[in-house]
Amino acid sequence: KQEVTQIPAALSVPEGENLVLNCSFTDSAIYNLQWFRQDPGKGLTSLLLIQSSQREQTSGRLNASLDKSSGRSTLYIAASQPGDSATYLCAVNSGSGYALNFGKGTSLLVTP
Amino acid sequence: DAGITQSPRHKVTETGTPVTLRCHQTENHRYMYWYRQDPGHGLRLIHYSYGVKDTDKGEVSDGYSVSRSKTEDFLLTLESATSSQTSVYFCAISGDRDIGNTIYFGEGSWLTVV
Repeated sequence: KQEVTQIPAALSVPEGENLVLNCSFTDSAIYNLQWFRQDPGKGLTSLLLIQSSQREQTSGRLNASLDKSSGRSTLYIAASQPGDSATYLCAVNSGSGYALNFGKGTSLLVTP
Repeated sequence: DAGITQSPRHKVTETGTPVTLRCHQTENHRYMYWYRQDPGHGLRLIHYSYGVKDTDKGEVSDGYSVSRSKTEDFLLTLESATSSQTSVYFCAISGDRDIGNTIYFGEGSWLTVV
């Protein structure tokens, strides 16, 4: 069974800092990996999708990398802003049942 | 935003009563999913559908059933609600996996069983 772990569980940084969120998974046989953002009381918003054949994806200030062989992905947020405060979730599509396996998320607080 | 509507958005029900949650999509996506989200457990898959009348169980399917009679609608039913089913329920959709398989989520349905 695919296990997805996110470290740290919570993170607080001052505005302007660059930061890295980590995601690890136990089975490297994946189809893709997706990063989501969740605001309190809301659904999940897809940020970046990395196919298994890709090494990274970028969208604005966000950059996600994937190293399948080591079972790791990182989400890099440049020049953090208070509006980036949210929970960030990593999810792996292993192809089993077409569904995603989620990590428990990293709760990010960016202080002004 | 993907066209996903969940109803009801909030519900309080009594133990032992049946409850049905509805997910409606306007994207004509093939795959639909029901997840529940609980503190300490994250998001867990309840059931999913890979086409009309084609459904399968997820990680935490006990006590739940689903139906999909049309492409756009996916219903989740709690036959006899229990307090352990108090949770936030999310519907999600995705297209054919060969084209990227990005998954989109609805806004959630908050269910309290008292």
